[in-house]
Amino acid sequence: EDQVTQSPEALRLQEGESSSLNCSYTVSGLRGLFWYRQDPGKGPEFLFTLYSAGEEKEKERLKATLTKKESFLHITAPKPEDSATYLCAVSSGANSKLTFGKGITLSVRP
Amino acid sequence: EAQVTQNPRYLITVTGKKLTVTCSQNMNHEYMSWYRQDPGLGLRQIYYSMNVEVTDKGDVPEGYKVSRKEKRNFPLILESPSPNQTSLYFCASSFRTVNSPLHFGNGTRLTVT
Repeated sequence: EDQVTQSPEALRLQEGESSSLNCSYTVSGLRGLFWYRQDPGKGPEFLFTLYSAGEEKEKERLKATLTKKESFLHITAPKPEDSATYLCAVSSGANSKLTFGKGITLSVRP
Repeated sequence: EAQVTQNPRYLITVTGKKLTVTCSQNMNHEYMSWYRQDPGLGLRQIYYSMNVEVTDKGDVPEGYKVSRKEKRNFPLILESPSPNQTSLYFCASSFRTVNSPLHFGNGTRLTVT
């Protein structure tokens, strides 16, 4: 059974204070690892897909990386508008489903 | 605008009263899915559909039904709701499979008393 563990559960940063969110996973045959952002009262919004170890993707202040056991979402010089819950999910083998982690709630103080 | 539309956004009902949550997407996506989100448990898949007339169970299908008669619509049916189905529900779609990015609706908050 696929498992996804995200840490920490919650993270509070000062504006401009860079940090990383962790997503560790156990799957049989990774097809893709996904990062989503979820704002209060809204559905998750797609950020990145990573397919193989060593792959990296960037978007504004966010950079996602992937190893064989975990993924990191690096946030450089965050702003208050980066405050949200960040979800990690994996798909594997022939499964037609994503397994989601429980999410990391990020709060960025001005 | 490309979107997944769920209705209603909020629903309060009583135990045993059948209800349907509608989901429609305008992106011609083949794959659609329903999730529930509960505190401490994260997002869990209820049912999914790879295409019209093709549906299958996810991780937590008990107490739910779905149908996919048209490509754009994927309603979630609770024939006899119970309090343990109180949750936040999300419909999602993607181009072909779950390995394509999912587009989510804005959710339906269901309370069963």
